[in-house]
Amino acid sequence: GAVVSQHPSRVICKSGTSVKIECRSLDFQATTMFWYRQFPKQSLMLMATSNEGSKATYEQGVEKDKFLINHASLTLSTLTVTSAHPEDSSFYICSARDNTGRNSVYEQYFGPGTRLTVT
Amino acid sequence: GENVEQHPSTLSVQEGDSAVIKCTYSDSASNYFPWYKQELGKRPQLIIDIRSNVGEKKDQRIAVTLNKTAKHFSLHITETQPEDSAVYFCAASDAGGTSYGKLTFGQGTILTVHP
Repeated sequence: GAVVSQHPSRVICKSGTSVKIECRSLDFQATTMFWYRQFPKQSLMLMATSNEGSKATYEQGVEKDKFLINHASLTLSTLTVTSAHPEDSSFYICSARDNTGRNSVYEQYFGPGTRLTVT
Repeated sequence: GENVEQHPSTLSVQEGDSAVIKCTYSDSASNYFPWYKQELGKRPQLIIDIRSNVGEKKDQRIAVTLNKTAKHFSLHITETQPEDSAVYFCAASDAGGTSYGKLTFGQGTILTVHP
């Protein structure tokens, strides 16, 4: 159990366009999901915490108008990178916590990541 | 907020040797400390975790120790094998707190195990 999927796994887009990334918890309900960004040879940096039915909480330095997060259901959160630029090229990873108690409430379950390349 | 420091940034060992990676954290409210192994282009994989009410945990060749007073925790891998080569990250969170359990990661350690 505790499987998280992400779609797409890879995306290439032109500068100025928007890209939407989906994160789904497949076999559990996730009240809270997290979005991370990882540049090459660097650590995972939390971008925002996404709670179902409420506005996301963004980390300092992350532009909320550029990285739109929607968590409309207990199994789906989306990250939209608006007006993408080459510096937004990165590996975006989501994770989810199972607050139902079926799985560990401490552990975060990670999606496989999305490689975004902006040309 | 939480700050996690991880050392060393690179670690090279011979097959069969032990490897130790150390992390310190700053927020005394943190109560959950996972360790992840990440291979290139893949998601982080949880290899072991420890909660603040425990000082040590072991799973076969992997062990983690936690010193809450000093705010540091360490990963120990014994009898290393070439397939242990990867990037390892420590992390800390206040699971159940007002931050919804968000993880703060260390900078990562590139472990290379030479045959």
